[in-house]
Amino acid sequence: AQTVTQSQPEMSVQEAETVTLSCTYDTSENNYYLFWYKQPPSRQMILVIRQEAYKQQNATENRFSVNFQKAAKSFSLKISDSQLGDTAMYFCAFEETSGSRLTFGEGTQLTVNP
Amino acid sequence: NAGVTQTPKFQVLKTGQSMTLQCAQDMNHEYMSWYRQDPGMGLRLIHYSVGAGITDQGEVPNGYNVSRSTTEDFPLRLLSAAPSQTSVYFCASSLSWGPYYEQYFGPGTRLTVT
Repeated sequence: AQTVTQSQPEMSVQEAETVTLSCTYDTSENNYYLFWYKQPPSRQMILVIRQEAYKQQNATENRFSVNFQKAAKSFSLKISDSQLGDTAMYFCAFEETSGSRLTFGEGTQLTVNP
Repeated sequence: NAGVTQTPKFQVLKTGQSMTLQCAQDMNHEYMSWYRQDPGMGLRLIHYSVGAGITDQGEVPNGYNVSRSTTEDFPLRLLSAAPSQTSVYFCASSLSWGPYYEQYFGPGTRLTVT
């Protein structure tokens, strides 16, 4: 079974600075996708970014980028120029290419301070 | 489009009571799923459906029933509520199954069982 681990329960960053959230996963599959979801205080789950395992190039979406290290089974999220609206719980998630279910990590609560 | 809607937003039940959490989507999505979110554990898959008339169990199906009689609706039934079912419940849908298709989440239902 796949597992996803986020070892940082809480993090904080000053507005306009850069922060990196860590995620590791365990799988025997070769083809899969990885995701970062954001859950603000409204509770709504929002997809931030996703990475296909067969793509070597790291995904980027505006201020959000990932560092995908397939051999190390690591998938970190970097948020540049942090904004107050980035304050949220962030979840790392995994899904097999042939699968139909997301496996989530425990989450990291990020607080952006003014 | 309303997207994915869930009712009710909040619910308090007594142990042994039954209830149905409603989920509906108006995007003609084939795939729908239910997750529960508990503190420190991320989201865990309860049941999912790849189309009308087809359902399957996820990671934590015990104590829950589902059915999918229409494409739009995917209700989650608790037949005899237990305090261990106190959680936040999320419904999600995507155009089809598999990680290529983005999953859209509803706003969640906070359930307390006393």
